[in-house]
Amino acid sequence: DGGITQSPKYLFRKEGQNVTLSCEQNLNHDAMYWYRQDPGQGLRLIYYSQIVNDFQKGDIAEGYSVSREKKESFPLTVTSAQKNPTAFYLCASSRTGDTASYGYTFGSGTRLTVV
Amino acid sequence: GNSVTQMEGPVTLSEEAFLTINCTYTATGYPSLFWYVQYPGEGLQLLLKATKADDKGSNKGFEATYRKETTSFHLEKGSVQVSDSAVYFCALSVSSGQNFVFGPGTRLSVLP
Repeated sequence: DGGITQSPKYLFRKEGQNVTLSCEQNLNHDAMYWYRQDPGQGLRLIYYSQIVNDFQKGDIAEGYSVSREKKESFPLTVTSAQKNPTAFYLCASSRTGDTASYGYTFGSGTRLTVV
Repeated sequence: GNSVTQMEGPVTLSEEAFLTINCTYTATGYPSLFWYVQYPGEGLQLLLKATKADDKGSNKGFEATYRKETTSFHLEKGSVQVSDSAVYFCALSVSSGQNFVFGPGTRLSVLP
């Protein structure tokens, strides 16, 4: 079955360390997205990519970086510059130009905790 | 700009009660409307959608009707179950736009 895989499900990081969250999809979707969700809060867009080798900042990109070297993969790096990285991170994908018909498909999330 | 407003939660109901979660939107153009559900510790799952005015989306006993005149897409279920306890997000997408716009989410707790 097609879907989005996020790994790991739980991740612990020491302060001052960079950490990379994985997101892989086999839906043949062109567009991919990273969201951050804090307890009891909604979704905030970090970065998105509509095509390989291209990506744009979302609303809260500071302290994060991404790459899109393959259509299937959109890893997110949480850098030491991110002041408060503890959160639940969600990856999503969609068909470019067809979001209004089919919506987004989400992964199951990665919970990052800074210790 | 485009925006989505949802009723404040949390909403607490007894099993078999009737559920309504209000959602209103502001959009340029003609949006498609969606409801997503997030169970504890999970990602979001598409619950239902409607792509044009007067369409009714339905799934798992949940329904929502796209009301252009009131710019609303309220989620309803006639008889909730404990397993419906989750956070519900209303969202819109405009065909010419790049991204979704999500509402803040409404937490539903159903008590046995």
